[in-house]
Amino acid sequence: EAGVTQFPSHSVIEKGQTVTLRCDPISGHDNLYWYRRVMGKEIKFLLHFVKESKQDESGMPNNRFLAERTGGTYSTLKVQPAELEDSGVYFCASSQVMGAKNIQYFGAGTRLSVL
Amino acid sequence: AQSVTQPDIHITVSEGASLELRCNYSYGATPYLFWYVQSPGQGLQLLLKYFSGDTLVQGIKGFEAEFKRSQSSFNLRKPSVHWSDAAEYFCAVGDFGNEKLTFGTGTRLTIIP
Repeated sequence: EAGVTQFPSHSVIEKGQTVTLRCDPISGHDNLYWYRRVMGKEIKFLLHFVKESKQDESGMPNNRFLAERTGGTYSTLKVQPAELEDSGVYFCASSQVMGAKNIQYFGAGTRLSVL
Repeated sequence: AQSVTQPDIHITVSEGASLELRCNYSYGATPYLFWYVQSPGQGLQLLLKYFSGDTLVQGIKGFEAEFKRSQSSFNLRKPSVHWSDAAEYFCAVGDFGNEKLTFGTGTRLTIIP
């Protein structure tokens, strides 16, 4: 069974440009999460989808970030326009159930470098 | 708000030596606790989890962790490390009901021959 897949693995863009990150969750997982790790800091929650609906987007830094989940399958995270402080590793995770037995499975991450 | 502290940024141990990585959490209720590992070029892999019950939890790759409520700790241990254990280790706490994981800053483990 395929795990959580993220594309691209690495993206280098200039300040002001737009970047779109993609996440394909494990098949059958209704829950999809985005997290971000800025260099040297902790991994921080960005948002949570249940199927195609945003359950919690309290961690989204500002309105330059837009997350979507088409048909409850894959998700995209768009940054427009990108700023230097957006650099970091963006992780996606998925899980099958919510609540007490929620185990989140993570992808390898997308390393975003904004120059 | 919940928080996780991993006081050791970088640890170096000899192959075959024992290992203990520290994790302290702050949370008002019974936490759900996790250890994840990230090897170079890989995703975050779940090592073990604590939801309830026995406070000594066994995980994959020979790791174990012990939940100590009185100390608000969930330290990760391994009796004998292998060179393949070199990676970055993350402790996390989950809040039942809101689905977020709160992570520590991670501990990078280096293994020397």
